[in-house]
Amino acid sequence: GAVVSQHPSWVICKSGTSVKIECRSLDFQATTMFWYRQFPKQSLMLMATSNEGSKATYEQGVEKDKFLINHASLTLSTLTVTSAHPEDSSFYICSADRTSGSYEQYFGPGTRLTVT
Amino acid sequence: GEDVEQSLFLSVREGDSSVINCTYTDSSSTYLYWYKQEPGAGLQLLTYIFSNMDMKQDQRLTVLLNKKDKHLSLRIADTQTGDSAIYFCAVVPGSQGNLIFGKGTKLSVKP
Repeated sequence: GAVVSQHPSWVICKSGTSVKIECRSLDFQATTMFWYRQFPKQSLMLMATSNEGSKATYEQGVEKDKFLINHASLTLSTLTVTSAHPEDSSFYICSADRTSGSYEQYFGPGTRLTVT
Repeated sequence: GEDVEQSLFLSVREGDSSVINCTYTDSSSTYLYWYKQEPGAGLQLLTYIFSNMDMKQDQRLTVLLNKKDKHLSLRIADTQTGDSAIYFCAVVPGSQGNLIFGKGTKLSVKP
């Protein structure tokens, strides 16, 4: 089956620092990857859609300059949380489309970010 | 761990009602969700229900929860071609904060 990995699985950082989260499709190419955020006991919220080789499309209310997304290859997308604050503490999940326009989307295991 | 199961495909005619079913294993699941995904798009939250509710209605959508059988369903009234998509059931297990998703049900609506 298709596997999506995320690294790191959890990270603790100090307020004001930046953190990079990687999302990789391990055994397939993904032209589109998605980044979600989930607060404890709450629903998943789509943050942005990332297409290989182009700028990410951000959902309303998501700060582009704070959550930098790069999708440089067909197997890797990164999310960088810049100048992190405690309110950025959350669970970040990525998913990847197996093929363009298909229904096959696979989710990564998520990254737990804690900002102190 | 929590396991969420859905049937993979459903085909209906335009104007009919669609019922998408989901079963889960963790009886302490607190929040249960239905997401819609159109081709090439991210997940869109359709509706959700708390575990202390049996039913929730939101316009054309009706969610039914049978806690005894650990069964969740989504009914779409007057199904339209624009409803064609993948529908994901997702639950929050009692012991965790993250979502556990089913594999999704592909709904095809024929004119």
